[in-house]
Amino acid sequence: EIVMTQSPATLSVSPGERVTLSCRASQSVNNKLAWYQQKPGQAPRLLIYDAFIRATGIPARFSGSGSGTEFTLTVSSLQSEDFAVYYCQQYNHWPPYTFGQGTKLEIK
Amino acid sequence: EVELVESGGGLVKPGESLRVSCAASGFSFSSAWMSWVRQAPGKGPEWVGRIKSKGDGGTTDYAEAVKDRFTVSRDDSRNMWYLYMDSLKTEDTAIYYCTTYNRNNGWHWGQGTPVTVSS
Repeated sequence: EIVMTQSPATLSVSPGERVTLSCRASQSVNNKLAWYQQKPGQAPRLLIYDAFIRATGIPARFSGSGSGTEFTLTVSSLQSEDFAVYYCQQYNHWPPYTFGQGTKLEIK
Repeated sequence: EVELVESGGGLVKPGESLRVSCAASGFSFSSAWMSWVRQAPGKGPEWVGRIKSKGDGGTTDYAEAVKDRFTVSRDDSRNMWYLYMDSLKTEDTAIYYCTTYNRNNGWHWGQGTPVTVSS
């Protein structure tokens, strides 16, 4: 099973700041990496798939990069609605597809 | 537009069974692979099982935690996917989501259906 490790676990930031979240895979997942945003009581919302492709309707301030084992999600200027938990997910190896443990973005 | 709608969740006792369903629309159902993902309270998402399209063999795969207890199936005539859960345990308590991947627009999720296993 591929282990996905996200860092940091929690990030305290101010609105308007630029933030970078990291996700590391225990072995190469090529570019089969997705990023999700989740708010309380809601289903995960797809932000990025195939490592860098923004999903439909996702603002341009969200961007993904990386390949192999190292990936990042960058939010160029945090808005109030961006404070949430973010998960990465690999879908290159089955079984099973695996998620990171999440990074919580909180308001400083 | 892709739409996935889960149903059938509820409260069951340990050892009981439950079937949850996923109604799909807005894409070529018969060629789609589908996965069930669950999320326990306060935890991250966890993959449960997957079914390929019949054209790709229709085979299923499961996470170790549910192997031999859960069964994923599909009814292409009704655009429905199912997750049958047997011998349920308290640790199976979670929201269950159906998901599918499309190479043109990525992963799609339903809104989830809650399953609570408690005596």
